[in-house]
Amino acid sequence: GNSVTQMEGPVTLSEEAFLTINCTYTATGYPSLFWYVQYPGEGLQLLLKATKADDKGSNKGFEATYRKETTSFHLEKGSVQVSDSAVYFCALSDGMAGGGADGLTFGKGTHLIIQP
Amino acid sequence: EPEVTQTPSHQVTQMGQEVILRCVPISNHLYFYWYRQILGQKVEFLVSFYNNEISEKSEIFDDQFSVERPDGSNFTLKIRSTKLEDSAMYFCASAIGEQYFGPGTRLTVT
Repeated sequence: GNSVTQMEGPVTLSEEAFLTINCTYTATGYPSLFWYVQYPGEGLQLLLKATKADDKGSNKGFEATYRKETTSFHLEKGSVQVSDSAVYFCALSDGMAGGGADGLTFGKGTHLIIQP
Repeated sequence: EPEVTQTPSHQVTQMGQEVILRCVPISNHLYFYWYRQILGQKVEFLVSFYNNEISEKSEIFDDQFSVERPDGSNFTLKIRSTKLEDSAMYFCASAIGEQYFGPGTRLTVT
């Protein structure tokens, strides 16, 4: 079956540091890949997505590239801010870009803490 | 911006009781979902719903669980006889493309 593995947290960085959160996956076929973010007290928000190999998703300065050869979708940001403090979830879907009947398969989440 | 809402935000119930968790999906969305997250564990898919019937369900979604869209706007998850291990955060989501999630209901079974 499908699975997603992401680095354990918490990850603590100083403001303006470079961020990488690793995510690897196991799936049959060609899944769509996602990063969701959860700010304290809120629901999961879609941060970015990629639906095929070599696609790069980007949003709010965050980027991730769909690497089929390494089955990875690592999240990066060049200069983090205190407001980026949140829990980040990597996820995949066999379905139509995240919609459709198939549920998302999530990683455990990585708690990111940015210190001023 | 339209959003998925869930009520209540926190529900405390005794073991063996029935609970109903409520969600209002985004109005033009076609697919609806429930997920749960036990404290410290992964977000897990429970069920998807389309055209007034279940599309997919996970092995977690056993006979104790049911879903309903009673009035064209609400989408509910019922747990018939709660167990201690049902304590978790339950998330509703809806989709027309990507899935949009609600803020969750924290269910505590005592």
